[in-house]
Amino acid sequence: AQTVTQSQPEMSVQEAETVTLSCTYDTSESDYYLFWYKQPPSRQMILVIRQEAYKQQNATENRFSVNFQKAAKSFSLKISDSQLGDAAMYFCAYRSAAGTASKLTFGTGTRLQVTL
Amino acid sequence: NAGVTQTPKFQVLKTGQSMTLQCAQDMNHEYMSWYRQDPGMGLRLIHYSVGAGITDQGEVPNGYNVSRSTTEDFPLRLLSAAPSQTSVYFCASSPIQGGGFGPQPQHFGDGTRLSIL
Repeated sequence: AQTVTQSQPEMSVQEAETVTLSCTYDTSESDYYLFWYKQPPSRQMILVIRQEAYKQQNATENRFSVNFQKAAKSFSLKISDSQLGDAAMYFCAYRSAAGTASKLTFGTGTRLQVTL
Repeated sequence: NAGVTQTPKFQVLKTGQSMTLQCAQDMNHEYMSWYRQDPGMGLRLIHYSVGAGITDQGEVPNGYNVSRSTTEDFPLRLLSAAPSQTSVYFCASSPIQGGGFGPQPQHFGDGTRLSIL
């Protein structure tokens, strides 16, 4: 079974600064997908960014980018120019590319605080 | 477009009571799933379905039943609630995996906070 580990329960960043959230995973598969989800206090689960394992290029979405290291099984999220609205829980998630079921395996989350 | 709708948003039950959490989606997604979120444990998969009439167990299925009679609806049933089932429950849906369209993201409902006394 796959596992996802987020070793930073809490992180803090000043507004306009850059922060990196860590995620490692364990799998024996070669083809899979990785996601970062944001959960603000409203409890919604919002997709931030996604990465396909067979693509070497790191995904970017505006101020959000990832550092995907397949050999190291690492998938960190970098948030640039942090904003107060970025304060939330962030979850890293893994999904196998095999089969038809889109089952997600989540990490335990990192709570990000953004300070003035 | 409503997306994924969960009802109710909050519920308090007594131990031993039964209840059904409702989930409906209007995006014609084949795949639907239920997760529970507990402090310090992230989201864990309870049950999932890849289409009407097809369901399967996830990581933590004990104490829960599901059925999928239509594409749109995927209710989660607690037959005899226990305090250990106090949690926030999320329903999610997505297109079926495959078909060359890459990793279609899952769409989540707003969650149901369930407390069992």
